[in-house]
Amino acid sequence: RKEVEQDPGPFNVPEGATVAFNCTYSNSASQSFFWYRQDCRKEPKLLMSVYSSGNEDGRFTAQLNRASQYISLLIRDSKLSDSATYLCVAGAGGGSYIPTFGRGTSLIVHP
Amino acid sequence: DAMVIQNPRYQVTQFGKPVTLSCSQTLNHNVMYWYQQKSSQAPKLLFHYYDKDFNNEADTPDNFQSRRPNTSFCFLDIRSPGLGDAAMYLCATSRQVGEYEQYFGPGTRLTVT
Repeated sequence: RKEVEQDPGPFNVPEGATVAFNCTYSNSASQSFFWYRQDCRKEPKLLMSVYSSGNEDGRFTAQLNRASQYISLLIRDSKLSDSATYLCVAGAGGGSYIPTFGRGTSLIVHP
Repeated sequence: DAMVIQNPRYQVTQFGKPVTLSCSQTLNHNVMYWYQQKSSQAPKLLFHYYDKDFNNEADTPDNFQSRRPNTSFCFLDIRSPGLGDAAMYLCATSRQVGEYEQYFGPGTRLTVT
């Protein structure tokens, strides 16, 4: 299966900081991309989809760069409650319909 | 509320003693998935169903089996759990093949003693 790579971190930032994560994918046929949030010992929950034109939801902005095959997640004005693991997911393409998960990037926001 | 439900939330079993984990969904989604997730790792896909069509990942051990008796329910059977099978088991659904937005249950944390 094609891979999705993420820096596991942890990213340790103060409240109010802006932090960005990148995720690279190897399947050039992937058409759909997502960011999930996973709290410690909980299930992943969809944070946002990543569209070709980018996607913004409040403090969160996701971007797709097809040429370089990466997606990014930007979090502005970090809150303590943003502390979690952020999983990057690439929807399949090229005949497969199984999404591929990255291992996640850990974010710790401290006071 | 429509949701994905997993039971039990915590399961302790003995080495070699069969165990069954269950998942149900009220979303009426066609696709159901079972993942295994260990600490600091990506969820690892074990199986998925598109309707009743069962798909086994090539590297899923034979020790793991699955059943989907109807649209709403899916079971994961571990025939002879080993210590290495201790993990979080996540059930997920998506509406249709090719729709990759997934809805996860809360997971079952399996401990093998």
